[in-house]
Parts: sequence; structure tokens; C-alpha cells
Amino acid sequence: DADVTQTPRNRITKTGKRIMLECSQTKGHDRMYWYRQDPGLGLRLIYYSFDVKDINKGEISDGYSVSRQAQAKFSLSLESAIPNQTALYFCATSGEGAVDTQYFGPGTRLTVL
Amino acid sequence: GENVEQHPSTLSVQEGDSAVIKCTYSDSASNYFPWYKQELGKRPQLIIDIRSNVGEKKDQRIAVTLNKTAKHFSLHITETQPEDSAVYFCAASTSGTYKYIFGTGTRLKVLA
Repeated sequence: DADVTQTPRNRITKTGKRIMLECSQTKGHDRMYWYRQDPGLGLRLIYYSFDVKDINKGEISDGYSVSRQAQAKFSLSLESAIPNQTALYFCATSGEGAVDTQYFGPGTRLTVL
Repeated sequence: GENVEQHPSTLSVQEGDSAVIKCTYSDSASNYFPWYKQELGKRPQLIIDIRSNVGEKKDQRIAVTLNKTAKHFSLHITETQPEDSAVYFCAASTSGTYKYIFGTGTRLKVLA
């Protein structure tokens, strides 16, 4: 599903470094999400945004921040990366309607040394 | 808080057999239940979903059942094939929240 893209796809960084993960979508969806995937823990919501002026914390927002630069772009930042932030990160989008499908990007594998 | 429990965490079946994955949710207001399949190294993709106004939905070899009273729903895969091997996630969502709560995933292995 090339409608949701993430950059970079893989990143290795060091403890204390600032890093930004970017998500872009061409679906025209208003709602965008950042998830973290860890083995055995499933997909956990970090932040979500319903439009460019609406940002909300998810269940595990500590240590992360986000920016919704435009309807199509939603970035996740780690201000000072730590090793337990090593994980697979997914961006997702959803469109109009009371309940609707979420479409995932290809993921970014982040390793913090 | 809201929670979705998913069992089993791993499941191995012989090719051609059926597989069943079960999820239980805590929020009685939940009314939308999607299932995602994640192949190795790939993104999660929706394979089937069910809304609270129906009890069962089928799509070829896959089906989902919902028991609102017991607050649980299940994914059924019949005539399993090697390409069904993947991690499957259930989720629950409530109208108006636009958020999913995901289960922890089930790794299905179909043995040839």
C-alpha cells in the first residue's frame, strides 16, 4: 500500500541522539497515528492526530513528541533516544466515518545503541 | 483501562486444518472489531472486520464471530494453507474515539 510511506525504513542511532521519523500519506485522510510494535506486546499507540490542529497522547507517549505539518504529514520525534525505544514503528491513517479501517505504512525499524 | 486480550500467542496447525484465534475486550462500548494479518517484515493489513450489529461475517476461508454478551470475538480460518502463516492481531474500537486497542498478536504457523 504505497499510499502511506515512512522514512527512514531503518535507522541505527546512539543513546542521547535526537531522531525524527516521518510519515506521509496520499489517501487524503484526516486521522493519523503512530504505533510502536514490540515482540509479544502487539501494537501500542504513541500519539494520534485528527487534523493539523489536533494532537493527542496515546498510551505510551513518554519520551516521544509529534508534529502534524500538514494533513498529509505526521512526524514522530525522539528527543533523546534510549535503548528501550528500540522497536518497529508504524504510522497509520484512517478516513471519514464513525469507525473505519486504519491503513499502515511499511514501518521503520529503529535501533538505539 | 481498556484492554484486549488475545489467545493463543502461538498456534501451529497442519495444512488443511482449521485455526481459531480468540480475543476478549473490556470496554462494553466497543462496536467495531477488525482483524489484521502481518506477514514477516511487512505491514499489518486488514483481512476482515465485524461491527456490533452482526454476530458473524465470512469472507471465503476466513470468518469472524462476535459475542457481545461475553465481550469476545474470534477469527476462524478454514482449510489453512502455508501462506496463512503470519502474525494475526485483533483490535477493538468504539464509535467516536477513532482509536483501536490491539491484542498482543498470535503467530500462526501452518505446517506443510
